[in-house]
Amino acid sequence: AQSVTQLDSHVSVSEGTPVLLRCNYSSSYSPSLFWYVQHPNKGLQLLLKYTSAATLVKGINGFEAEFKKSETSFHLTKPSAHMSDAAEYFCVVSDPINAGNNRKLIWGLGTSLAVNP
Amino acid sequence: DGGITQSPKYLFRKEGQNVTLSCEQNLNHDAMYWYRQDPGQGLRLIYYSQIVNDFQKGDIAEGYSVSREKKESFPLTVTSAQKNPTAFYLCASSMWVAATYNEQFFGPGTRLTVL
Repeated sequence: AQSVTQLDSHVSVSEGTPVLLRCNYSSSYSPSLFWYVQHPNKGLQLLLKYTSAATLVKGINGFEAEFKKSETSFHLTKPSAHMSDAAEYFCVVSDPINAGNNRKLIWGLGTSLAVNP
Repeated sequence: DGGITQSPKYLFRKEGQNVTLSCEQNLNHDAMYWYRQDPGQGLRLIYYSQIVNDFQKGDIAEGYSVSREKKESFPLTVTSAQKNPTAFYLCASSMWVAATYNEQFFGPGTRLTVL
């Protein structure tokens, strides 16, 4: 069965310092993995996705994530935080089309990122 | 502009009333979804539809109903049977048939408050 765990519910960094948001997953298949961002009272925007191509995935706004199968992890990083990065971040896992579960998305509970001036 | 629109942005309802949330997309996507978001609980799937005139229950369908009469539209009705309807509701869409992975695109959401 699929599952996803975001290891930190809240992360606080100073502006200009690196960001690390941790995500572990469980899947019986070769999953697709996504990171979405949600600013307060807004919809969700896709940051980046892993779909069995390159294991280091670059996304928008300077974010990237590395798929590590041996560690079942898909951590999100950014070298230098900006005030506008303050938001909620969700890690999501989806099985491939042949898994038979309608490619349902399994959502993590989210990590709230605060960026201090 | 291509995208997903949801209306209204804020909605207030009295207990015992049904209310319908609108979701429209012009992305020509096959599949559409409704999620509910509560603080600290992530997103939970209410209903989804892969094709016109067909839809499936998600994880928390009780007290909700949907229809899919047009490809572009997937309205959600929150009925009086839904015991705790106050929440943020998000609509999403994705390509279904052609895609091998399920990247979903989201609308801006509707915040429903029951008074």
